[in-house]
Amino acid sequence: DAKTTQPPSMDCAEGRAANLPCNHSTISGNEYVYWYRQIHSQGPQYIIHGLKNNETNEMASLIITEDRKSSTLILPHATLRDTAVYYCIVRPNTGNQFYFGTGTSLTVIP
Amino acid sequence: GAVVSQHPSRVICKSGTSVKIECRSLDFQATTMFWYRQFPKQSLMLMATSNEGSKATYEQGVEKDKFLINHASLTLSTLTVTSAHPEDSSFYICSARTQTGVYGYTFGSGTRLTVV
Repeated sequence: DAKTTQPPSMDCAEGRAANLPCNHSTISGNEYVYWYRQIHSQGPQYIIHGLKNNETNEMASLIITEDRKSSTLILPHATLRDTAVYYCIVRPNTGNQFYFGTGTSLTVIP
Repeated sequence: GAVVSQHPSRVICKSGTSVKIECRSLDFQATTMFWYRQFPKQSLMLMATSNEGSKATYEQGVEKDKFLINHASLTLSTLTVTSAHPEDSSFYICSARTQTGVYGYTFGSGTRLTVV
């Protein structure tokens, strides 16, 4: 079962930073936070994941609060191609099943 | 990077017939693969976990006799929708866990099934 809560939709101006929040107040100590996105009619694409430290890669940054009950995905300079549904998922790194919540539909506006 | 290939991308079938969807890991071995179903404007729903060489594990409410899963090799899992009906029309997506590099899941591009 999904353990995350995300706003259903957000808009962001092209070129600006997109900040997508996620609440995971029941997260356990061994559970990671993963972010995926799904562009219409395609399979989900991995973005980033983290345990408790902030993470950054070529796509995005992940900010996890100290109590780990929430996180924010940051797309530093949003482009039109970043329009997608973004999913925040928590799961143990040793487990198997990967459950999706409802996600946030991000629309990047020209 | 790890690639999961799914085939076909689109299929239309008549009501009452069966349809097979293939999911292949192209450059890695996947002992476990996962099948999801996604209805329009909804999230992905996990249907089953496919284990190489053993029976699949189905999520609650998923009919195992209707959605047959076979995982006969470390690179191939298949989902067969038997006696398809229009309500089975959906977007089916497979995924596999990668063991190196990214400790997450790689997803196929999905199969759009339309039952007429």
